[in-house]
Amino acid sequence: DQQVKQNSPSLSVQEGRISILNCDYTNSMFDYFLWYKKYPAEGPTFLISISSIKDKNEDGRFTVFLNKSAKHLSLHIVPSQPGDSAVYFCAARGLNNAGNMLTFGGGTRLMVKP
Amino acid sequence: DTGVSQDPRHKITKRGQNVTFRCDPISEHNRLYWYRQTLGQGPEFLTYFQNEAQLEKSRLLSDRFSAERPKGSFSTLEIQRTEQGDSAMYLCASSPPTGGYNEQFFGPGTRLTVL
Repeated sequence: DQQVKQNSPSLSVQEGRISILNCDYTNSMFDYFLWYKKYPAEGPTFLISISSIKDKNEDGRFTVFLNKSAKHLSLHIVPSQPGDSAVYFCAARGLNNAGNMLTFGGGTRLMVKP
Repeated sequence: DTGVSQDPRHKITKRGQNVTFRCDPISEHNRLYWYRQTLGQGPEFLTYFQNEAQLEKSRLLSDRFSAERPKGSFSTLEIQRTEQGDSAMYLCASSPPTGGYNEQFFGPGTRLTVL
C-alpha cells in the first residue's frame, strides 16, 4: 500500500509564477514531513520540512503547508525559477519508524519555463 | 567534498553474479540508511544502521540482500545472485546523532543494471 502519494506526476509553470506541489498520506502515525528535490544523476537533496505540530513552515521562496485533518501537505515555490526544474519528492517519518526511516511519495516533475 | 559518497556510480552485471556497493557517510553522522529507487518511483527504504549496529533490516527485499557497517563508518550493500528485477538506483543516506528530527543527506547513488 502506498502510504505517501503524489498524484501529479508532472507540473509545468511559467517562470515567476507560483508552483504548488501536493502530497497526500494515509498513515496517521506520521509525525514529520520532508520535501526533497532531485536533479538527474544526483541523489535527493533536502529542501524543507515540517513537524506535525505545525501547519506551516517557510524558508525563503519555499513554504510547506500541512493539513493534518485532510492528511495533506503542499509545497509552494514563489517565485518559481528555471533552476527549480527537478523532481520533487515528499517523504514522511512515523513515530514508530526505526531510526527515522522515511516513506517517500512517487515524485512530481516540475518544469519551470523561462 | 564532505557529502555522502557512493562507489561505484554505475554497475552493469550479468544475471546470477554478486555485486557489492560501498557508501561513505558524512564523517560525523552515526546513522546510515540504504534505499532503492526504481524508475518513476520514490526511494524505498531497505535497511538502517546506527553506528555499527544494523537496527532495521526487515525491509531488505530478500535474503539475497545483505548490508554491513563493520566499524561504524562506511557501509556495504551486497546483492547475491542478481536478477533483472534488481536493476535500480541504490541510494545511501546518513544523518547525525540526535534525539530530535533531522533530515537525511543522500549520496549520488549507484545505478545497477542486470543483464
